[in-house]
Amino acid sequence: ETGVTQTPRHLVMGMTNKKSLKCEQHLGHNAMYWYKQSAKKPLELMFVYSLEERVENNSVPSRFSPECPNSSHLFLHLHTLQPEDSALYLCASSQGPGVGNTIYFGEGSWLTVV
Amino acid sequence: GNSVTQMEGPVTLSEEAFLTINCTYTATGYPSLFWYVQYPGEGLQLLLKATKADDKGSNKGFEATYRKETTSFHLEKGSVQVSDSAVYFCALGFSSGSARQLTFGSGTQLTVLP
Repeated sequence: ETGVTQTPRHLVMGMTNKKSLKCEQHLGHNAMYWYKQSAKKPLELMFVYSLEERVENNSVPSRFSPECPNSSHLFLHLHTLQPEDSALYLCASSQGPGVGNTIYFGEGSWLTVV
Repeated sequence: GNSVTQMEGPVTLSEEAFLTINCTYTATGYPSLFWYVQYPGEGLQLLLKATKADDKGSNKGFEATYRKETTSFHLEKGSVQVSDSAVYFCALGFSSGSARQLTFGSGTQLTVLP
């Protein structure tokens, strides 16, 4: 139990589908993140939300749409994805910017686009 | 910009061998440094961290010392076990507004044989 829960753990979707990934953190943190982990590439930061406001969007294609309705929940809405979007999507959270404040990760959602 | 360079894997060791995974970084300012571990099929877990120069992080027999003079944060363990088989990620972190930003290395796959 990491305190950050992601669902579903595995998702297979066609290129014309619309699906969503869900993340919930039980740690009382005020910042949440989406990362993408592809084979043989470093983890890529996709989005950062702080106090429910988006503070970072690292040139992510518009087919990925994040939503943060409150400080405990984060969604990643997916539509018209490409096969190269197949990856492990990791949600994370942290408590503010303090030195040494740790980012805690969920177990990830494995996405396969067919 | 900020970057992390990790020793390339995969690394294969026999049980009870000594482990070193090298990590060096480039950063503007004074980041916090982290090692995360990813076991097969799971998300990232924080292994240890150090927030300032000469700090030593330690956990589960693993250690790493924040060396400002060599901009390094090498991971060591005196006697590895089969259960240590995983991918290890070195990362540096800064505060960004009210959130944290992590920059990851590419990861080092460790396999420990019985």
